[in-house]
Amino acid sequence: DAMVIQNPRYQVTQFGKPVTLSCSQTLNHNVMYWYQQKSSQAPKLLFHYYDKDFNNEADTPDNFQSRRPNTSFCFLDIRSPGLGDAAMYLCATSRAGDKNIQYFGAGTRLSVL
Amino acid sequence: GIQVEQSPPDLILQEGANSTLRCNFSDSVNNLQWFHQNPWGQLINLFYIPSGTKQNGRLSATTVATERYSLLYISSSQTTDSGVYFCAVNTGGFKTIFGAGTRLFVKA
Repeated sequence: DAMVIQNPRYQVTQFGKPVTLSCSQTLNHNVMYWYQQKSSQAPKLLFHYYDKDFNNEADTPDNFQSRRPNTSFCFLDIRSPGLGDAAMYLCATSRAGDKNIQYFGAGTRLSVL
Repeated sequence: GIQVEQSPPDLILQEGANSTLRCNFSDSVNNLQWFHQNPWGQLINLFYIPSGTKQNGRLSATTVATERYSLLYISSSQTTDSGVYFCAVNTGGFKTIFGAGTRLFVKA
């Protein structure tokens, strides 16, 4: 089945230690998104890629970066995680122009010690 | 920017009961999706419904775009329906705004 896959499902890192979360998709969608969701809150968009074009939300901290080496993969890099970055990170994809319906992966739950 | 409000914030149902969840939005939208977030955190697409009515099994949804609201109906609720239901809207471009969600617990 075509899907959005996030690895790992759970990630523990240390305060200040760089961490990378990954997302892959078999839907061949040209848009990929990263959301941050803190406990009991709604998902909040961090950034998205439309093909190779990177679009950062204005309030996304500089500590968060992303890479999309090809259509199928997208990475979220947190350069120096703080305690406040502990959250669920959700990857989503959509096909631009096709109603832009978003499909989500299962998420990676990040803990910062 | 657009505001998205969901009600009620919390809902407890006895298994078998019906319920209606509401989503109000403050501006015209070109995309509205309902999602169910299961207890493990995955967001599952329920409906893409910028206008009109759709049904899928025990779930149905109606969006009245001119009055800027959408309703999600759950009939004959089951314990597996528990979780958080989100309404998410898009007014153009790629930014999607989520409501705060309705947290549903269905008791056996």
